[in-house]
Amino acid sequence: EVQLWESGGGLVQPEGSLRLSCAASGFTFGNYALGWVRQAPGRGLDWVSAISSDGGTTNYADSVRGRFTISRDNSRNTLYLQMNSLRADDTAVFYCAKIVGSGTYYNLFDSWGQGTLVTVSS
Amino acid sequence: EIVMTQSPATLSVSPGEGATLSCRASQSVNVYLAWYQQKPGQAPRFLMYDGSTRATGVPARFSGSRSGTEFTLSISSLQSEDFAVYYCLQYHSWPLTFGGGTKVEIK
Repeated sequence: EVQLWESGGGLVQPEGSLRLSCAASGFTFGNYALGWVRQAPGRGLDWVSAISSDGGTTNYADSVRGRFTISRDNSRNTLYLQMNSLRADDTAVFYCAKIVGSGTYYNLFDSWGQGTLVTVSS
Repeated sequence: EIVMTQSPATLSVSPGEGATLSCRASQSVNVYLAWYQQKPGQAPRFLMYDGSTRATGVPARFSGSRSGTEFTLSISSLQSEDFAVYYCLQYHSWPLTFGGGTKVEIK
């Protein structure tokens, strides 16, 4: 069974930084692309970023490009999201999600973690 | 960016009745459209991909179809566990984009 656990969320001041982690189990981590999806309170799903299985290709939503960095450690089965210059409108639950393929095609999510809440406020 | 528009925003349905949800893409996404179900306080659940192929374990009462850039998720005979918010996702091209969601509520 695929399991994804996010951690690292919390309260941060505007312009601050936070690093999210996502520990994975139940599948061959290095064979699959992964991504982050966020959901602001009471709002819909919003794709943030994705990384290929080998970490060589990354993609970002325009709203976070230049501020967020996605990375992975295939030896630790862990995905990361480094978030800098955080803004109030980044407040959301951040979900880690497994992608069906390795990152070339079929970049859709088939398994999700339970999410970690990031609150940006002074 | 491909914009995904879902309608209606809210659908009120009685248990046992059917429901039809729509998702329209602003340009062609071929068949690369997925559906997700989300209940309050829970992570999304993967329902369908390629517009009409059910994910593992998804009941047959869920079906999907496509006509050009218009996709439909149909739920026949709604069960209590089907009342939730449904999102579509296009994975044809970056950036990946979700629709705004359709809430299926009990009438």
